[in-house]
Amino acid sequence: AQKVTQAQTEISVVEKEDVTLDCVYETRDTTYYLFWYKQPPSGELVFLIRRNSFDEQNEISGRYSWNFQKSTSSFNFTITASQVVDSAVYFCALSEVSANQAGTALIFGKGTTLSVSS
Amino acid sequence: AAGVIQSPRHLIKEKRETATLKCYPIPRHDTVYWYQQGPGQDPQFLISFYEKMQSDKGSIPDRFSAQQFSDYHSELNMSSLELGDSALYFCASSLGQLTYEQYFGPGTRLTVT
Repeated sequence: AQKVTQAQTEISVVEKEDVTLDCVYETRDTTYYLFWYKQPPSGELVFLIRRNSFDEQNEISGRYSWNFQKSTSSFNFTITASQVVDSAVYFCALSEVSANQAGTALIFGKGTTLSVSS
Repeated sequence: AAGVIQSPRHLIKEKRETATLKCYPIPRHDTVYWYQQGPGQDPQFLISFYEKMQSDKGSIPDRFSAQQFSDYHSELNMSSLELGDSALYFCASSLGQLTYEQYFGPGTRLTVT
């Protein structure tokens, strides 16, 4: 069965601190996709990144970076120099590859609530 | 860029009433997904459609039904509403297998009293 675990329920940091959000996944598939979504207090779900299981290159986008390690089944997310606007719930998610052209359901972790204070 | 549109944004219903939620995917996207997010919970997959056919089914109650129309918009019909159906309902769309990236609408907040 597929499963996503975000062990950190809540994290509080002060502005300008770096913070890493952990994500561990379980799947028997050899091909799969991993995602991070941000849900600010306004409630919408904002897509941040997608990674496929064959691409273990780390990615950096501005203050955001992601570290994907298949050996430990982890896909961690780091925010550098955090800002108050980063305060949100962050979800890690997993999807498998379907046999047809359709996309497949996202399996979400429980989310990590990040609070950044000034 | 065009995003996923959901209507209504807020809906208040009483127990045992029915509700219909609408979703308009990003243009050219061929797959629509519905998710339910209870308070303080992660989104749970309900159902998806690819090219107007049901593609996958998750934890959707029998009281709920959904379909995708010829213009690719989708509707989630909910009957015999219960207090526990109060949640944020998200629609997402994707370009099928090509990207697997699901883009979410702003959600419909359903409150059942």
